[in-house]
Amino acid sequence: DGGITQSPKYLFRKEGQNVTLSCEQNLNHDAMYWYRQDPGQGLRLIYYSQIVNDFQKGDIAEGYSVSREKKESFPLTVTSAQKNPTAFYLCASSNLNQPQHFGDGTRLSIL
Amino acid sequence: RKEVEQDPGPFNVPEGATVAFNCTYSNSASQSFFWYRQDCRKEPKLLMSVYSSGNEDGRFTAQLNRASQYISLLIRDSKLSDSATYLCVVNLGTGGFKTIFGAGTRLFVKA
Repeated sequence: DGGITQSPKYLFRKEGQNVTLSCEQNLNHDAMYWYRQDPGQGLRLIYYSQIVNDFQKGDIAEGYSVSREKKESFPLTVTSAQKNPTAFYLCASSNLNQPQHFGDGTRLSIL
Repeated sequence: RKEVEQDPGPFNVPEGATVAFNCTYSNSASQSFFWYRQDCRKEPKLLMSVYSSGNEDGRFTAQLNRASQYISLLIRDSKLSDSATYLCVVNLGTGGFKTIFGAGTRLFVKA
């Protein structure tokens, strides 16, 4: 079945630690996205990538980094510079002007 | 003004009621429009695309008014299982993949 796979489902970060969230898609979509959602809030765009080896900052990119070395993969690193990382992280993919399809998310918490 | 604005909600309705969600968008060059549904602690899922001629899928009807920059979603004969947050989503006409998600309107359907 085609879809988007995010891992892990739950992740705990220690102070000062970088952690990487995985996102893989087999939908052959050109674009991939990362969003953050805080409890009771809407989605906020962190980064997006329209093509391999290219990506753009979203509204809240500070403290995060991404790479797009393969069309299928768009990992997100939450760096130690992100002081409030506890949130629900959602990865999505799409083609131009088509709806985005989401993975089932990663919940990140601070230890 | 927000790029995509929705009714703040929450909406509390009895089973069998008809409920309407409204959404306005600010960018007149927006290309495509969607409604998503998000259950508590889950990822958003595409409910339906919205076309200029209006479209229907079972109990759900979506309408687009480009002149007024307004999108609506009508749910007839509400079910308990319709309880969720409904997100209005707009793809901007920038030639890229920029997508704006509304903050969502929470719906509670009561027995």
